[in-house]
Amino acid sequence: QKEVEQNSGPLSVPEGAIASLNCTYSDRGSQSFFWYRQYSGKSPELIMFIYSNGDKEDGRFTAQLNKASQYVSLLIRDSQPSDSATYLCAPQTGANNLFFGTGTRLTVIP
Amino acid sequence: DTEVTQTPKHLVMGMTNKKSLKCEQHMGHRAMYWYKQKAKKPPELMFVYSYEKLSINESVPSRFSPECPNSSLLNLHLHALQPEDSALYLCASSSGTPGTGELFFGEGSRLTVL
Repeated sequence: QKEVEQNSGPLSVPEGAIASLNCTYSDRGSQSFFWYRQYSGKSPELIMFIYSNGDKEDGRFTAQLNKASQYVSLLIRDSQPSDSATYLCAPQTGANNLFFGTGTRLTVIP
Repeated sequence: DTEVTQTPKHLVMGMTNKKSLKCEQHMGHRAMYWYKQKAKKPPELMFVYSYEKLSINESVPSRFSPECPNSSLLNLHLHALQPEDSALYLCASSSGTPGTGELFFGEGSRLTVL
């Protein structure tokens, strides 16, 4: 499996704050980057993806990519208790391989 | 229909048993995946089928044998498993288009090996 490291959790933020989730990857051939959310006892679900260097915003979520530094992040603005979950970073190299990072557990405190 | 259906939801088996996990999707997806997930760990990729051909095998022991009878079905045959193989087995599918990383997951089959 490719090396994909995420900031060790658990991460706790108060409601309304910004949660910052980080991910570094070893495979320079990675082209696309995906963020999945997994609630406890549930399957992962896609939140958003990013292909190009820079920022991509989708509602309260912003993904940031820096391919030179092999770094991708996810910011969650105005965090809500319903955002409490494990967040998985997943770089993709080939057409169909998707390896998940170590995951960061986020708790949003009301 | 955006569902991936996995059966059974729970399976308990002995180390000498032979059993199978099944997965079905009707979204016209051409890539199907098996992941293994242990408690508090991320899903670990096991196998990928693309257009009904095995395209990725992440050095999985031969006691796990995947099969893709057609584009909608994916099986995982289990034989002579070890207690450490107890885990949640997740099936997923995707369109198979390069760069499209949206996987649709089933609810998983929780396997216990005694």
